[in-house]
Amino acid sequence: QVRLKESGPRLVQPSQTLSVTCTVSGFSVTSYHVSWVRQPPGKGLEWVGAIWKGGSTDYNSALKSRLSISRDTSKNQVFLKMNSLQTDDTGTYYCAKHGPHYFDYWGQGVMVTVSS
Amino acid sequence: EIVLTQSPTTMAASPGEKVTITCRASSSVSYMYWYQQKSGASPKPWIYETSKLASGVPDRFSGSGSGTSYSFTISSMETEDAATYYCHQWSSTPWTFGGGTKLELK
Repeated sequence: QVRLKESGPRLVQPSQTLSVTCTVSGFSVTSYHVSWVRQPPGKGLEWVGAIWKGGSTDYNSALKSRLSISRDTSKNQVFLKMNSLQTDDTGTYYCAKHGPHYFDYWGQGVMVTVSS
Repeated sequence: EIVLTQSPTTMAASPGEKVTITCRASSSVSYMYWYQQKSGASPKPWIYETSKLASGVPDRFSGSGSGTSYSFTISSMETEDAATYYCHQWSSTPWTFGGGTKLELK
């Protein structure tokens, strides 16, 4: 059974760094790509970046300077790190598995609030 | 970056009514994808490669279009269809989503 679960802090102070972990089961991160997608409260979806099954990454150019996506293949985990957080980084952060045609499985998301 | 513009932003439909949502891309895309999201839940794949239904999606849903203009249709609205629908392109990075169409039950 494919599952993805995000974990991380619910509250981050402005200018600090966000670290979110996506723990997957039912598939290997070395066999499928994984993306991060975020959603501000009451707003739409924004693709943040991806880590390909081979380990390389691709980032949303609007966030690239602040972003790092990595993984631990032994633990089947994918990590998102975003620095210099501002209030408009508040939102739900999802990790999603790439299927052959679309993001076929999503985590439940973790709601992150950037506030002092 | 390819900008996807959905319309309408919100709408309400009665049971049995036909629903159409449009998605316009700022540049041509190969295909359009659609996701359904209900309140408090993660998005679910709904339509892929413009017109193919994801697993488990009822056949009252359909998609069409090409180039920069795409549409999403529900032939006969049902209660369970109330949700927000997002179009999505992954023809070129950064992959982008439309702003969403909130579909309510009238």
